Amino acid sequence: AQSVSQHNHHVILSEAASLELGCNYSYGGTVNLFWYVQYPGQHLQLLLKYFSGDPLVKGIKGFEAEFIKSKFSFNLRKPSVQWSDTAEYFCASRWSSASKIIFGSGTRLSIRP
Amino acid sequence: DTGVSQDPRHKITKRGQNVTFRCDPISEHNRLYWYRQTLGQGPEFLTYFQNEAQLEKSRLLSDRFSAERPKGSFSTLEIQRTEQGDSAMYLCASSHDYQNYNEQFFGPGTRLTVL
Repeated sequence: AQSVSQHNHHVILSEAASLELGCNYSYGGTVNLFWYVQYPGQHLQLLLKYFSGDPLVKGIKGFEAEFIKSKFSFNLRKPSVQWSDTAEYFCASRWSSASKIIFGSGTRLSIRP
Repeated sequence: DTGVSQDPRHKITKRGQNVTFRCDPISEHNRLYWYRQTLGQGPEFLTYFQNEAQLEKSRLLSDRFSAERPKGSFSTLEIQRTEQGDSAMYLCASSHDYQNYNEQFFGPGTRLTVL
């Protein structure tokens, strides 16, 4: 079955620390990959997406992710986090442009001011 | 157009009652998706529509669940004979086949609590 795994359930960092959240997806041929963010009390928002081309994708708010096909991974990174990055982060994938999205279980990011 | 809207935002009901949620997608989006999110988990796919046709249903969608999109615009999700296990956030998303690689835009969700 198609699946997405996020390795970290809860990550706590200090402001200005670097961030890397792990994500692995199950093999399913051509894949679209996403990172969504859900700030407290707000709805899901798209941070970045990968469809094809350059495996290093840049998103909003200084986030980036790297698609490594050989490792089935799509890790999210940010060089210096801010308190406002406190949120839940979801890695997700889909196996065609018109199909459902499969979400990981999420990583809660807490930033100490 | 301000995005996907859902109504109500919160619903508290007693076990055994029927509930209905509404989703209004972004104007002209032809695809509409329903997901369910329980505490500590990512959203799980329930069903989706292309225009008024329901094209896929998850096995999570038991016989007590029914979704419609009668005119290819708004959609309703009904849960009959609610159970405590139905308590969750129900999310709606919409997309357009020829825009942004079918990027799905999510609504704020309806939080259901079954007592």
